[in-house]
Amino acid sequence: KQEVTQIPAALSVPEGENLVLNCSFTDSAIYNLQWFRQDPGKGLTSLLLIQSSQREQTSGRLNASLDKSSGRSTLYIAASQPGDSATYLCAVVHTSGSRLTFGEGTQLTVNP
Amino acid sequence: GAGVSQSPSNKVTEKGKDVELRCDPISGHTALYWYRQSLGQGLEFLIYFQGNSAPDKSGLPSDRFSAERTGGSVSTLTIQRTQQEDSAVYLCASSSGDPGGTQYFGPGTRLTVL
Repeated sequence: KQEVTQIPAALSVPEGENLVLNCSFTDSAIYNLQWFRQDPGKGLTSLLLIQSSQREQTSGRLNASLDKSSGRSTLYIAASQPGDSATYLCAVVHTSGSRLTFGEGTQLTVNP
Repeated sequence: GAGVSQSPSNKVTEKGKDVELRCDPISGHTALYWYRQSLGQGLEFLIYFQGNSAPDKSGLPSDRFSAERTGGSVSTLTIQRTQQEDSAVYLCASSSGDPGGTQYFGPGTRLTVL
């Protein structure tokens, strides 16, 4: 059974800092890995999707990497801003199906 | 274009009552998913529809839960004889149907069972 773990569970940083969120998964047979953002009381917003054949994806100040063989992904946020405060979730799709298996999330607070 | 929409946004019901939650996927998306987000359980898969294929119901927690998708578009998740442990946010997502394609989520329905 696929298990997804995110570390740390919570993170508080001052504005402007670069930061890294970690995600690990137990079964490397994945189609892709997706990073989401969730604001309080809201749904999920897709940030980045990395296909299993890719090593990284970039969007603006966000960069996500994938090491499928070791079962790890990182989300790098450059020059953090208070508006980045949210819960960040990673999720994987196993090759046997289309459902997403989620981690528990990292709650990020960026202080002005 | 319009994203995934869900209704109602909030639902408060009494234990033992039935509830229906609605999801309108992105137009043209053939795949539709239901997930549940509850304290202590995180986000968990419930059911998946792909085109005209039989749905994958393997995530439904009990036979009180059912879902249908009419005309390959709108989906309804029904919970019969609600229990307090059913209280959660129910999220719907849709995708183009390609394996591993990006899933786009709706805002969710917050269900509270008193």
